[in-house]
Amino acid sequence: KAGVTQTPRYLIKTRGQQVTLSCSPISGHRSVSWYQQTPGQGLQFLFEYFSETQRNKGNFPGRFSGRQFSNSRSEMNVSTLELGDSALYLCASSMGYEQYFGPGTRLTVT
Amino acid sequence: GESVGLHLPTLSVQEGDNSIINCAYSNSASDYFIWYKQESGKGPQFIIDIRSNMDKRQGQRVTVLLNKTVKHLSLQIAATQPGDSAVYFCAENMDSSYKLIFGSGTRLLVRP
Repeated sequence: KAGVTQTPRYLIKTRGQQVTLSCSPISGHRSVSWYQQTPGQGLQFLFEYFSETQRNKGNFPGRFSGRQFSNSRSEMNVSTLELGDSALYLCASSMGYEQYFGPGTRLTVT
Repeated sequence: GESVGLHLPTLSVQEGDNSIINCAYSNSASDYFIWYKQESGKGPQFIIDIRSNMDKRQGQRVTVLLNKTVKHLSLQIAATQPGDSAVYFCAENMDSSYKLIFGSGTRLLVRP
């Protein structure tokens, strides 16, 4: 069974731009969560989607948003990028509470 | 590429020895705990989990211990191997939500 896939793997953007990241969960998994990982803040929860609905949300500004499609694939969007948004963005999928992570998208904001 | 904190506590062990990685969790309402392993340039990899109604759970070469009284979690790795070198994170899940709260991580270095 294929694991969680994330695209793109690496991305360089300029301040003020917006970005969309994609995540394909493990087949059969309906819950998709997003996390931000930085050296300073560690791994922080962004939001979780289940059946196309946001079920949980972390403490991030409204510039961070997401959505989930009927096939459980998910996207997250960050608008008006700031330098501090540079991070590894991780997606995790789950069927129960056990979450399986993808390799992440490394976003660099210049 | 770098994927974890710059100033993580580090545990250095000799190959073949046992490793114990500790974690203090934050919320007494947390009911599910997971240990993850993260190698450089990769996403966290699930190792083992434990529910709050258990004190101990064993996997292959790994054991997780949960002490709810002091809100402490530990991961024991038997016969540590060079491939175990990585950063290890504990994570807690509160109130049966799907929101994982991660600890800051411990870097494990295995000396040959």
